[in-house]
Amino acid sequence: AQTVTQSQPEMSVQEAETVTLSCTYDTSESDYYLFWYKQPPSRQMILVIRQEAYKQQNATENRFSVNFQKAAKSFSLKISDSQLGDAAMYFCAYPNAGGTSYGKLTFGQGTILTVHP
Amino acid sequence: EAQVTQNPRYLITVTGKKLTVTCSQNMNHEYMSWYRQDPGLGLRQIYYSMNVEVTDKGDVPEGYKVSRKEKRNFPLILESPSPNQTSLYFCASSFLDRPYEQYFGPGTRLTVT
Repeated sequence: AQTVTQSQPEMSVQEAETVTLSCTYDTSESDYYLFWYKQPPSRQMILVIRQEAYKQQNATENRFSVNFQKAAKSFSLKISDSQLGDAAMYFCAYPNAGGTSYGKLTFGQGTILTVHP
Repeated sequence: EAQVTQNPRYLITVTGKKLTVTCSQNMNHEYMSWYRQDPGLGLRQIYYSMNVEVTDKGDVPEGYKVSRKEKRNFPLILESPSPNQTSLYFCASSFLDRPYEQYFGPGTRLTVT
């Protein structure tokens, strides 16, 4: 079964600095996607960035980028030039695209990010 | 506007009083699912549906029921709520062949006393 682990329950960063959130996962699939979701105080789940496993290049969306290490099954999120609006809970997630759990998103435990002015 | 809606957004109820949380999507998605979010556990899937009249259990189905009579709606039913079902609930939907593009509802905060 797929598992997703976020080992940092909380992280903090100074405004304008860079922070990296960690995620590791386990899967027997060779082709898959990985996601980072942001959950601000409004509780809405917002997709931040998506990585396709067959792509060598790490995904980037403005100030957000990932470090995808397929062999190590590691998928970290880097937030550059942190802003107060980045403060939120961040979840790493793996979508099951086959088998009996088709379509299920497996989530990590979440990391609370605090941004200090 | 493409969206997933949930109602109610907040609900406080008492043990044993049946309740339904509605979920509706306007994107003609085949796949719909329910998750619950609890501190330190992330989101866990309760039930899912791959199309009308096709539903199946997720990881934590105990105490919940669902139905899928129409493509757009996927209500979550708690026939006898208990305090351990106090949680934040999310509905999500996607096209069946694109499980990597899921849309989430705004969440329903349920408290059972």
